[in-house]
Formats: sequence, structure tokens, C-alpha cells
Amino acid sequence: AAGVIQSPRHLIKEKRETATLKCYPIPRHDTVYWYQQGPGQDPQFLISFYEKMQSDKGSIPDRFSAQQFSDYHSELNMSSLELGDSALYFCASSPVGGAVYNEQFFGPGTRLTVL
Amino acid sequence: AQTVTQSQPEMSVQEAETVTLSCTYDTSESDYYLFWYKQPPSRQMILVIRQEAYKQQNATENRFSVNFQKAAKSFSLKISDSQLGDAAMYFCAYKRSTSGSRLTFGEGTQLTVNP
Repeated sequence: AAGVIQSPRHLIKEKRETATLKCYPIPRHDTVYWYQQGPGQDPQFLISFYEKMQSDKGSIPDRFSAQQFSDYHSELNMSSLELGDSALYFCASSPVGGAVYNEQFFGPGTRLTVL
Repeated sequence: AQTVTQSQPEMSVQEAETVTLSCTYDTSESDYYLFWYKQPPSRQMILVIRQEAYKQQNATENRFSVNFQKAAKSFSLKISDSQLGDAAMYFCAYKRSTSGSRLTFGEGTQLTVNP
């Protein structure tokens, strides 16, 4: 079965640089979520999109922005990177209806390292 | 705001034995979903089991079952016949029933399975 695709899987950036993370949801999933997981921590919610509109917003820094496109893929843009942004970034998706519409299916994550 | 608490940072179990992981949560809502996710060393987030708050019957998935006590706001995970592959970080998570709403995770419990 198709899974959530995230690219790149690993990314190394310098402080103050910009990074773009991409997420391709499972086909027929219209909702996308972004989470940040620091070392030894639980995943923290950043932002979500339902039908290309922002549906929920967490503790996402102003330096970060995200959007969902017409094909339902999503991009997380991170500017002025700081050392503390080093983390594993997960994208998850969920379908519009059906028995599992409240389940979130996670991608493998993008590991961002800021030097 | 909803909170999820896992009071056991670490647990260990002998292979083939049974172990129970604890989770409590706080919410003022009556309709919501609860999940247990497993995160092995690969860091992939894997859904183990889910529970709808409106269902009184406890969810089961093969060797995994939950004890859902809505009034007590408790949601424990029981793993029977533990296997070496069960070793992982386990996260309890809460989600409102609204489409596109976030998962709120507990701090996690690191489970070790001893041969």
C-alpha cells in the first residue's frame, strides 16, 4: 500500500539558511499534518491543512510557513534556521472519511541538522 | 488545552510475558479519539491501536489491548506475549473529533524486552 512520502530524508543546513521540506500524502488523503520531534522528546504539532486550508495551528515559529497545494502535497518552509531547529520533522496524512478518517498515517520523517 | 501524561519513562518485560503501559489525559470534551503509537529505533511512527471515546468496548488488536476508563480519563495499553520486536518507545496520543485537528502526545514510555 502507498505510504506518505517525505523528501528529502536528510538535510544539513548552516545557521541562518533556509530549508524546504516536502510531503506527499497517501492518495485520496486530503488532510496533512506537520510535527517536529526533538531528540528524546515526543512529537510536537506544528500545523495542519484540510482541503488546502489551514485547519489547526500549533507552536510553529514565525520563521516557518507551510501550505498545501492543489494536488494535496504540502511544503514546510523554514527560514533563518537556528541550531534548535535540528529535529526530525514528520508529515502525516488522513483521509476525508471512512472508518479511519481520524487516524493519522505518518511518513518516515526528514532529519534536519543545523550546523 | 488537552494534556496527555505517561508516568512511566521506562518499562521492561521478559519475553513472552505481559506488560501494561499507563496513560492519563485531561479534556473537557466528550467526543475524541485515543491512540497508541510505537516508535522503534528507526524512528518511524507506527499506529498500534485506537479507541473511540463513544465506544464503551475496549479496542483489541492481536496481542495489544487497551483498558479505556472514560470517567477516570485513563487509557492503558496491555501487550501480551511480549516479543523482542515490541521493544520501542510507545506514545499515547489524544485527538479531538474535529477533522484536521492535531494529535497531542504524551512524553513516551521506553519499553525494553528481555530475552
